[in-house]
Amino acid sequence: DAKTTQPPSMDCAEGRAANLPCNHSTISGNEYVYWYRQIHSQGPQYIIHGLKNNETNEMASLIITEDRKSSTLILPHATLRDTAVYYCIVRVDHTGTASKLTFGTGTRLQVTL
Amino acid sequence: NAGVTQTPKFRVLKTGQSMTLLCAQDMNHEYMYWYRQDPGMGLRLIHYSVGEGTTAKGEVPDGYNVSRLKKQNFLLGLESAAPSQTSVYFCASGHGTGLEKLFFGSGTQLSVL
Repeated sequence: DAKTTQPPSMDCAEGRAANLPCNHSTISGNEYVYWYRQIHSQGPQYIIHGLKNNETNEMASLIITEDRKSSTLILPHATLRDTAVYYCIVRVDHTGTASKLTFGTGTRLQVTL
Repeated sequence: NAGVTQTPKFRVLKTGQSMTLLCAQDMNHEYMYWYRQDPGMGLRLIHYSVGEGTTAKGEVPDGYNVSRLKKQNFLLGLESAAPSQTSVYFCASGHGTGLEKLFFGSGTQLSVL
């Protein structure tokens, strides 16, 4: 699985968009980009995933560059409850096999008033 | 719908004692996982199961045993606890369809003195 690089920490003002970058320059054609987050003292929570097209759901948007070497998770209107560690994970689609996700240290997003 | 439930939430053990952590899911997921998370680090996979009656080793299996006698339950055992096993333990489950959307429990904080 491709390695990912994320900034260790970021700040964002409440109500503004939070843009969290992830570099995955060694990604291969069949690897998906997944985002999870972990709010303090809780288990990780799935946010979104994508292959090559931009994706949006009720939680966030995922923008993947055309060469797929980087991506950005966008929280359109960050709130204090979005303060968490955000993990970017790249993984091949192993249909029917165990999801042995590797969680690195992620980006600690601090949303402030 | 409770999702993934872990018991207990907190436990303190003395070195050499044994204990079992219980994970239960009510989503009829085939795949279940045990992770550990040490301070300031990402999650590391201990063991996983791809179905009732099956188990497999993850990244850091030493010192742990698991059992999956029922589809909805995944037990993690420590036969002889060591201080190095002080950690937060997370259980997760998933469909195993290739999509890496895992559902995590709220964690068990274990301290071994």
